[in-house]
Amino acid sequence: DGGITQSPKYLFRKEGQNVTLSCEQNLNHDAMYWYRQDPGQGLRLIYYSQIVNDFQKGDIAEGYSVSREKKESFPLTVTSAQKNPTAFYLCASILTGGGGGNQPQHFGDGTRLSIL
Amino acid sequence: AQTVTQSQPEMSVQEAETVTLSCTYDTSENNYYLFWYKQPPSRQMILVIRQEAYKQQNATENRFSVNFQKAAKSFSLKISDSQLGDTAMYFCAFMKTKAAGNKLTFGGGTRVLVKP
Repeated sequence: DGGITQSPKYLFRKEGQNVTLSCEQNLNHDAMYWYRQDPGQGLRLIYYSQIVNDFQKGDIAEGYSVSREKKESFPLTVTSAQKNPTAFYLCASILTGGGGGNQPQHFGDGTRLSIL
Repeated sequence: AQTVTQSQPEMSVQEAETVTLSCTYDTSENNYYLFWYKQPPSRQMILVIRQEAYKQQNATENRFSVNFQKAAKSFSLKISDSQLGDTAMYFCAFMKTKAAGNKLTFGGGTRVLVKP
């Protein structure tokens, strides 16, 4: 079955450490997205990528970095510059070919990041 | 920038009854897409229903229906014959067109509790 796989499910970060969250999709989707969700709140966009080797900042990109070297993969690095990284992180993708605007974003199961 | 507002933080409903969740949004776009997502305690994001702004007919998906008022920028969700499995957070989301990155903007969410 096609889908989006996020790993790990739980991640702990030490002070001053960079950590990388994995997101892989086998849906042949063009665009991929990273969202952050704080307790009791909605999702906020961190970064997104519409094509390989290209990505754009979302609303809360500071302290995060991404890469898109392959269509299937869009890893997110939470750097030490992100002072409050504790949150639930969701990856999503969408098929944009042929207009694709009315297609919904599909989501992975998320990664919960906590500070040690 | 788009904003999405869900004015009801929490709602409860008796099993088999009907509940309506409100959502308003602010945009200067004419073409866009609206979605309702459900997030149960497992934290998965599950698509409930979607609406294209250019369609006047309200979308329906089994027990879920929307009341889309484009001029009023309102997009409410009605859950009929509520079931215990409908207990979850519900998020209203606005999506721009492909040319603008198909980015999603989420509301803050409404927690729905279905009581037996």
